[in-house]
Amino acid sequence: AQSVAQPEDQVNVAEGNPLTVKCTYSVSGNPYLFWYVQYPNRGLQFLLKYITGDNLVKGSYGFEAEFNKSQTSFHLKKPSALVSDSALYFCAVRDIGSFQKLVFGTGTRLLVSP
Amino acid sequence: GAVVSQHPSRVICKSGTSVKIECRSLDFQATTMFWYRQFPKQSLMLMATSNEGSKATYEQGVEKDKFLINHASLTLSTLTVTSAHPEDSSFYICSARLGQGPQETQYFGPGTRLLVL
Repeated sequence: AQSVAQPEDQVNVAEGNPLTVKCTYSVSGNPYLFWYVQYPNRGLQFLLKYITGDNLVKGSYGFEAEFNKSQTSFHLKKPSALVSDSALYFCAVRDIGSFQKLVFGTGTRLLVSP
Repeated sequence: GAVVSQHPSRVICKSGTSVKIECRSLDFQATTMFWYRQFPKQSLMLMATSNEGSKATYEQGVEKDKFLINHASLTLSTLTVTSAHPEDSSFYICSARLGQGPQETQYFGPGTRLLVL
């Protein structure tokens, strides 16, 4: 069965500094990987996804993520954090063979201080 | 593009009553929509997959007679919580699938917070 781990409940970073939100996954086949962001009392907003090809994926709001097959990781990154990036971030995986279902990690709260 | 709406955004009801939540894909057609439930400070739990024109597929442990799903058109799915009880209080989020195969992406609605008194 597929699974996603987000080892950090919270990540704290100062505005202007680079940020990394970690995600590792487990699937039986090749994965489709996703990052979503959730603001308070709101649904999830799609940030980016990895399907195949270039391991570095660029997404919305200046975020990017790097797919590392050997480490089964898909860490979310941004070169310079903004206070407005403070939110809850979810990593998700879909096994090519799983037919539609997304499996989410437990989420990581990002707090960017001024 | 790829906007999904939910209505209502918040609802308070008495125990024993039924509540209907609507999920609409505003600028695309979605043959498949999903319903999730999110508890405070927890991840999303998939409840069911809603397929246009056919019966929903429920995840293990989700009561299909309690959480009725109807996907009558390509832009609308509804979730009805029947005979709601306080333990049904939660944040319900729907998503709609856009694309197929590798290009498939789920786009989420803003969520509905249900409080059962």
